[in-house]
This record gives sequence, C-alpha cells and structure tokens, in this order.
Amino acid sequence: DAGITQSPRYKITETGRQVTLMCHQTWSHSYMFWYRQDLGHGLRLIYYSAAADITDKGEVPDGYVVSRSKTENFPLTLESATRSQTSVYFCASRLTGGLDTQYFGPGTRLTVL
Amino acid sequence: AQRVTQPEKLLSVFKGAPVELKCNYSYSGSPELFWYVQYSRQRLQLLLRHISRESIKGFTADLNKGETSFHLKKPFAQEEDSAMYYCALSGGSQGNLIFGKGTKLSVKP
Repeated sequence: DAGITQSPRYKITETGRQVTLMCHQTWSHSYMFWYRQDLGHGLRLIYYSAAADITDKGEVPDGYVVSRSKTENFPLTLESATRSQTSVYFCASRLTGGLDTQYFGPGTRLTVL
Repeated sequence: AQRVTQPEKLLSVFKGAPVELKCNYSYSGSPELFWYVQYSRQRLQLLLRHISRESIKGFTADLNKGETSFHLKKPFAQEEDSAMYYCALSGGSQGNLIFGKGTKLSVKP
C-alpha cells in the first residue's frame, strides 16, 4: 500500500484559489482514479485515467481538472475552490480494469474557507 | 443503471455478537463485488472479493445473484472490527469501482 502516496495530507485554502492535489504510484498501474469522500455520499468518482494522456470524467467532475503526462502521477486541480469542495480526496490505482485490486492512497483532507 | 445500496448507515453490536452488513447491487451483467474497510482516518483497503471466496479477519461474503446481494458476515464481532465498510461493484467500462455509501460498524465492549 505504501506504493501510492498523496500530498499534501492536509490543506486549508480560501474560496477562489487554485489548489493542486498530488498522487503518485510506483507500481506502473495503468488505471488511476480520484474520489471524494463525503458523509452521506460515500465515495464518488471525480475523474479517472486508463493510461498516460487518457483521462475521462467520473460522476462529479465539475470544478476539477486532471492531467496524466506520466503513468505514475495523476494530479487533481481545483481551478477555483469552493466551499462545497471541502472533502477528503482519495487517489487510487489499479493494474488494469476488471478483477484487479484497487489500491487507495492515504487521502488528502481539504478545507475550503 | 449500476448501483450499490448499503441500507444501514450505522450498525452497532456488542463484542461477540454476530454481525451482518447488507449490500445489494444492480447490474445487468456478471458482477464483480468487493468489500473495502476503512479504519478511523486511514485509507481504504480491500477486505475481500467474491471471486476469491476467502475469509479475511473472520469475515465472509457470499454472492447471491437471485437476491442481487453480497452481504458481509462475521459470527463473532471484535472491537477492532469497528470501522467503515464499503461494498463496491466493478462493472463499468471505466474500470472503476462503484461504491455504496458505506456502513459504519461500531462494536461495543
């Protein structure tokens, strides 16, 4: 599990600021995902990537941007943070689709004031 | 539509009592189902998957296609089982998991 890391672990920012959350994995997994975890909603998929330079929207993509220039990195950017984006963000990776185990990072707790 | 339903937000049991966390799914094909556990302020980790048919930490889960269920069971709950449990379905072309909203299990001494 230590093969997938997130930074920062905690972040406080203000409304309107741009924030980038980093995700790095050392397994060369093809698939990477960003989820947000909120009380009453569980985990919701924001964006995913099937490979470098291939990304697509999940369930709640509005207000977020991703890129994946390298297989091991999958940063998530909040272009103009809003209070509704206060959440815990989890990055995950998976070798391929289907039956492979999905591994999660430790999470980033983001507070937007 | 693909969906995972965990009807209980909170389940509270006493140590040594049996526990069952319910999970129902909606999926048109052959589902691949998982249970993930999240201990307090930690990352999610895989607990078990239905294709493995294994028992992890005393937990088991059986896929019932007729009832579209994948309930998680343990005969004797322990305090260290207190955590958030998520049922998940792998079935999309995206390769991602579809999660239920989770059930918080509290095991009292």
